[in-house]
Amino acid sequence: DTEVTQTPKHLVMGMTNKKSLKCEQHMGHRAMYWYKQKAKKPPELMFVYSYEKLSINESVPSRFSPECPNSSLLNLHLHALQPEDSALYLCASSHSTGLAYEQYFGPGTRLTVT
Amino acid sequence: AQKITQTQPGMFVQEKEAVTLDCTYDTSDPSYGLFWYKQPSSGEMIFLIYQGSYDQQNATEGRYSLNFQKARKSANLVISASQLGDSAMYFCAMREGPNGNQFYFGTGTSLTVIP
Repeated sequence: DTEVTQTPKHLVMGMTNKKSLKCEQHMGHRAMYWYKQKAKKPPELMFVYSYEKLSINESVPSRFSPECPNSSLLNLHLHALQPEDSALYLCASSHSTGLAYEQYFGPGTRLTVT
Repeated sequence: AQKITQTQPGMFVQEKEAVTLDCTYDTSDPSYGLFWYKQPSSGEMIFLIYQGSYDQQNATEGRYSLNFQKARKSANLVISASQLGDSAMYFCAMREGPNGNQFYFGTGTSLTVIP
């Protein structure tokens, strides 16, 4: 099973809402990632979890809060977002953060902030 | 400086022909990994091929091959016998850093396969 699943597929939220994005993998991978991708742009790395510990936070605003409850699950909690946060949010996992390990991506959540 | 440069925003190729997508990278680390990903319009990123900085041979995966020229810091993707389903955005990426935590994507090349 080489699948990374993400829910929901689409999300529309107001600027005062609180919502969460969920990501799951069952490949035994120990590294998980959140990316933000705007239309016609490359993905931008937001967070990296390695062995369930946050190892990279790429200066992401505090209105995005990641959580890794266990090695298979990764959440992204959203609060007080701005319209410019509307984007495709991609989750990925890899065996570890070693140089040779490719990332497997989920289908993404298309987020619209109104 | 850009870590990964893809200079071809858009490319067209005739079905069944081969196409080369360019990628150059910038690093002073001796150890790094290079990757190519495909992103169809549906949005999911699909891993295609990997090349390690110490690999002597060019990587190949089916119709995909990576033309690795270390001295020129280039890692071009060659797709042979193009198919209509190859139409997508293609991203070159690099992983570096002591823990492999640093991961960079290029700006991408949009490939259109013409029947």
